[in-house]
Amino acid sequence: GAGVSQSPSNKVTEKGKDVELRCDPISGHTALYWYRQSLGQGLEFLIYFQGNSAPDKSGLPSDRFSAERTGGSVSTLTIQRTQQEDSAVYLCASSLVVPDPPLHFGNGTRLTVT
Amino acid sequence: GESVGLHLPTLSVQEGDNSIINCAYSNSASDYFIWYKQESGKGPQFIIDIRSNMDKRQGQRVTVLLNKTVKHLSLQIAATQPGDSAVYFCAENVVMGGSNYKLTFGKGTLLTVNP
Repeated sequence: GAGVSQSPSNKVTEKGKDVELRCDPISGHTALYWYRQSLGQGLEFLIYFQGNSAPDKSGLPSDRFSAERTGGSVSTLTIQRTQQEDSAVYLCASSLVVPDPPLHFGNGTRLTVT
Repeated sequence: GESVGLHLPTLSVQEGDNSIINCAYSNSASDYFIWYKQESGKGPQFIIDIRSNMDKRQGQRVTVLLNKTVKHLSLQIAATQPGDSAVYFCAENVVMGGSNYKLTFGKGTLLTVNP
């Protein structure tokens, strides 16, 4: 079956613009996660969803970041008024149930803020 | 490609040798550990996992060892192949309370296999 799908794969935006990143998890997976990976770094946890609710938003770097999930499926991560330090690869992952990794990752969206 | 080697620990091995990648984890309450492999331009790919009630688990060409006393995890790759070249991450599952948990990743190790 299809894996986790993220779009766009690459996004270049000007500083101050808003961006939306999309994640389509594996069908039937109830848990969905967003991570951020800066160049040469590990994965920084941002937020996870169990169904449509987000029990843990502690990783969101600032109030410019928000995420939602509708219908227990697709999720969008929105970054408002983007800054250059937001440039990174944003990875989405899903798993069948919580708490039960392993997570299945998409290939990420590479965001570049100029 | 990305210059990940500037920031990550690196391990360089000859094709056919065995590789050992090490990871120290931070939380003694972690109950589940995973190794992921990440190739350039792709998301992390699951390799093998181990629960805290075990100290060793074997897969195909890979073995994970867990030492809870010193909070250390290792990944052993037998007969390393050029296709094994990638960044390897360990991850620990920390139970935060109730059904809330967080999967926390290490910084990764860059494995380079020389032909």
